[in-house]
Amino acid sequence: KNEVEQSPQNLTAQEGEFITINCSYSVGISALHWLQQHPGGGIVSLFMLSSGKKKHGRLIATINIQEKHSSLHITASHPRDSAVYICAVRIPGNQFYFGTGTSLTVIP
Amino acid sequence: DTGVSQDPRHKITKRGQNVTFRCDPISEHNRLYWYRQTLGQGPEFLTYFQNEAQLEKSRLLSDRFSAERPKGSFSTLEIQRTEQGDSAMYLCASSHEGDVYYGYTFGSGTRLTVV
Repeated sequence: KNEVEQSPQNLTAQEGEFITINCSYSVGISALHWLQQHPGGGIVSLFMLSSGKKKHGRLIATINIQEKHSSLHITASHPRDSAVYICAVRIPGNQFYFGTGTSLTVIP
Repeated sequence: DTGVSQDPRHKITKRGQNVTFRCDPISEHNRLYWYRQTLGQGPEFLTYFQNEAQLEKSRLLSDRFSAERPKGSFSTLEIQRTEQGDSAMYLCASSHEGDVYYGYTFGSGTRLTVV
């Protein structure tokens, strides 16, 4: 019944690996956000997407509006990338629905 | 510091007590949001202000919860007669109406533990 589904829920990778986190949603959206949450709880907004692809450093986010799907890729992963990554969709009217997050651990 | 500030970072309270949290948004942001996050879950929307007007409230926001933003700047979230189920991280975020490029800025949250 969740409007936003993320996979995988947990992910462990070796340093240097290419990582993909997926997000599927079932509602009409005005934008999709990828967020990063560290163990202390603070949340950082990584990307806001309404179409196409965005890149920031080693992070790449893509969205396919027709398929209602987005992916977050991390290239050359590093232990400092270890965090929970949350997909959030903004619906018209300005409310957000959040995924439950993907917990990423990158092992040196 | 130009980010979103939340105070306190941690709060431990006894069941039945009232607690109040504060959020100071980025000064140019006219929209302010409160979310609640329980362990293992994504944040859940509680309420949202545009300037001083509270425009939307989730039904999660029971009558024990009240939020204000009296001058359109900082906001407070009060929980009366706290219950153990209120234990969660309370997150605040702000944005500027019409800012379609930078999305939201989140605070670090206030972690509430009700014992």
